Amino acid sequence: GAVVSQHPSWVICKSGTSVKIECRSLDFQATTMFWYRQFPKQSLMLMATSNEGSKATYEQGVEKDKFLINHASLTLSTLTVTSAHPEDSSFYICSARPNYEQYFGPGTRLTVT
Amino acid sequence: GEDVEQSLFLSVREGDSSVINCTYTDSSSTYLYWYKQEPGAGLQLLTYIFSNMDMKQDQRLTVLLNKKDKHLSLRIADTQTGDSAIYFCAEAPSQGGKLIFGQGTELSVKP
Repeated sequence: GAVVSQHPSWVICKSGTSVKIECRSLDFQATTMFWYRQFPKQSLMLMATSNEGSKATYEQGVEKDKFLINHASLTLSTLTVTSAHPEDSSFYICSARPNYEQYFGPGTRLTVT
Repeated sequence: GEDVEQSLFLSVREGDSSVINCTYTDSSSTYLYWYKQEPGAGLQLLTYIFSNMDMKQDQRLTVLLNKKDKHLSLRIADTQTGDSAIYFCAEAPSQGGKLIFGQGTELSVKP
């Protein structure tokens, strides 16, 4: 199957700072990528759809000014958590699809202290 | 509306078959997926089924789809301890690719 990578795999940051998470499709081009958030023992919640060359589409209740998404190339989307707070601590997972098969990255665990 | 339901836990003995069930609400979903998640890891695509199919088999995995009842199941034959994980079903209600996930079923395989 196709490969999606994320970087970093885990990050600890202080409250009030910003953190950038990268999502890359390694062996295919992706005009669309998806960002999900997962709390412990819970399901995945779609945060936003990242569109190459245009603005991201955010799900209801997700603050676009807090979770900045940039999809500058066909293989890279970034999620920046701005002015992070402890409640932003979570597991962030991206996905992309070369066709109807959607592949997920390994996830990034963010801890805000 | 969009909603996917799964039972939360399943425990089986090694060598038995496991059946994980899922119900969904959006009849327009074109594809339905099964993913596996191990602790601290991302989601691994196990298999998927197109909505005009009733069954799909892939080695130890069998997917059954009852479109009338909007019921999806994943059967794992000869379950091994390495199959212990959380299994998510997901539907794709539109062409855009957004997935709606169930809550996940935690499969525990006892030796």
